[in-house]
Amino acid sequence: SQQGEEDPQALSIQEGENATMNCSYKTSINNLQWYRQNSGRGLVHLILIRSNEREKHSGRLRVTLDTSKKSSSLLITASRAADTASYFCATADNNAGNMLTFGGGTRLMVKP
Amino acid sequence: DTEVTQTPKHLVMGMTNKKSLKCEQHMGHRAMYWYKQKAKKPPELMFVYSYEKLSINESVPSRFSPECPNSSLLNLHLHALQPEDSALYLCASTQLGQGQETQYFGPGTRLLVL
Repeated sequence: SQQGEEDPQALSIQEGENATMNCSYKTSINNLQWYRQNSGRGLVHLILIRSNEREKHSGRLRVTLDTSKKSSSLLITASRAADTASYFCATADNNAGNMLTFGGGTRLMVKP
Repeated sequence: DTEVTQTPKHLVMGMTNKKSLKCEQHMGHRAMYWYKQKAKKPPELMFVYSYEKLSINESVPSRFSPECPNSSLLNLHLHALQPEDSALYLCASTQLGQGQETQYFGPGTRLLVL
C-alpha cells in the first residue's frame, strides 16, 4: 500500500524559481527520504531526515518534517533545467529490512 | 564502487518465454531489493533479501522468482509473464543497521511482455 501522498502531482516552473513539493504519510516513521528519478531511470537518493529532526539542508535542497502533521516538504531553490525529474518521498520502516514505501511522486519540469 | 548494475537494460519477451534479470553490487550491502515501477507511478516493492535470505515477499505472483546466489548478486527469474507485467524493474541495495537507510538503485531493466 502507498504510504505517502505527494502534492502537487506535477509542477512546471521557470528556471531560477523555487520549487516546493509536499509529502504526507500515514503511520509513524523512523525517517523520511527524498529520491529523484530522471525519465524512467533509477532513483537517486537526495536527502534523509530523521523523525527527531525538523529541517535539513543539502546544497539547494531544503527538507522539513512535521511529525505531528505527518508531512514533509522538499524545497529546491534557484531551480535549473537539469532539475527536471520526478521526485519521490519514501518512508522507512526499520523493523522490516529497511523497507521503503514511496509516495506518488511529483513530476517537476523546469523551463529554461 | 558505489554502483548498482542491472542487466539487461531492455528486454522483450513472449508470454511463454523464460528470462532472468540480474543485479549486482560491490558495496558490501547486505540487503537487496526488487521493485516494479509502472509509468508515472512510484516504485512498488516486490522482494527483500537480508543477508542472502528472502525476508519480504509482497504477495508477488509465482511467475516472478527471486534468487540471491551470494551477497553481491540478485536475480529475478521470469516465467509465463503477462502483458500487464510490462514495467521498469529496479534493483536496489542498502547496508543494514542504524544510520544506513539510504537505498542505492540500479538503472533498471525495462521489460516488455508481448
